[in-house]
Amino acid sequence: EPEVTQTPSHQVTQMGQEVILRCVPISNHLYFYWYRQILGQKVEFLVSFYNNEISEKSEIFDDQFSVERPDGSNFTLKIRSTKLEDSAMYFCATIGEQGDTEAFFGQGTRLTVV
Amino acid sequence: DAKTTQPPSMDCAEGRAANLPCNHSTISGNEYVYWYRQIHSQGPQYIIHGLKNNETNEMASLIITEDRKSSTLILPHATLRDTAVYYCIVRVYNQGGKLIFGQGTELSVKP
Repeated sequence: EPEVTQTPSHQVTQMGQEVILRCVPISNHLYFYWYRQILGQKVEFLVSFYNNEISEKSEIFDDQFSVERPDGSNFTLKIRSTKLEDSAMYFCATIGEQGDTEAFFGQGTRLTVV
Repeated sequence: DAKTTQPPSMDCAEGRAANLPCNHSTISGNEYVYWYRQIHSQGPQYIIHGLKNNETNEMASLIITEDRKSSTLILPHATLRDTAVYYCIVRVYNQGGKLIFGQGTELSVKP
């Protein structure tokens, strides 16, 4: 079964540092997403990305966040200056060519800001 | 905000059918009902989706009422590995739109 791969699985960073979370989407998928889940809370949408640009973003996705596909394969989420409240699980998800059916989620990156 | 309402928790005996209800009274004509589940803190996993007809796959069955205002996910023979949080989500099909997760139902399958 195809899968979305996320690295690292766990990252610890100091407050104020920049972090980059990486995702390798399923090949030929065209719709990409980042979600986050603070411990004990629901999964929250951050941003969607299609055709090399952001198609939608939530109010959580402020100027501290950015996304890109630097090499046409990896899909990255950058947090420029991390805050304690950025500590969460971050999930990448992808959907196929037609934007239909199921979204495939990665296993997540656990970000801990200290 | 999520357009669905689910009970926060349910229990089910191993080997019995688990019936998870969902209310989506404001669903639009072009919105499908999707079900996902999340085991511990793993990434959400797709289970099934439907528009108005009942659907069945190898994991579960989805029963949608005729007025489409509610649905039920059925796991026919629940196992301990089905213990998870189950999310009912309404979403427009075929447009790559985001999934909006609610709180879901925490299903505990007990031996």
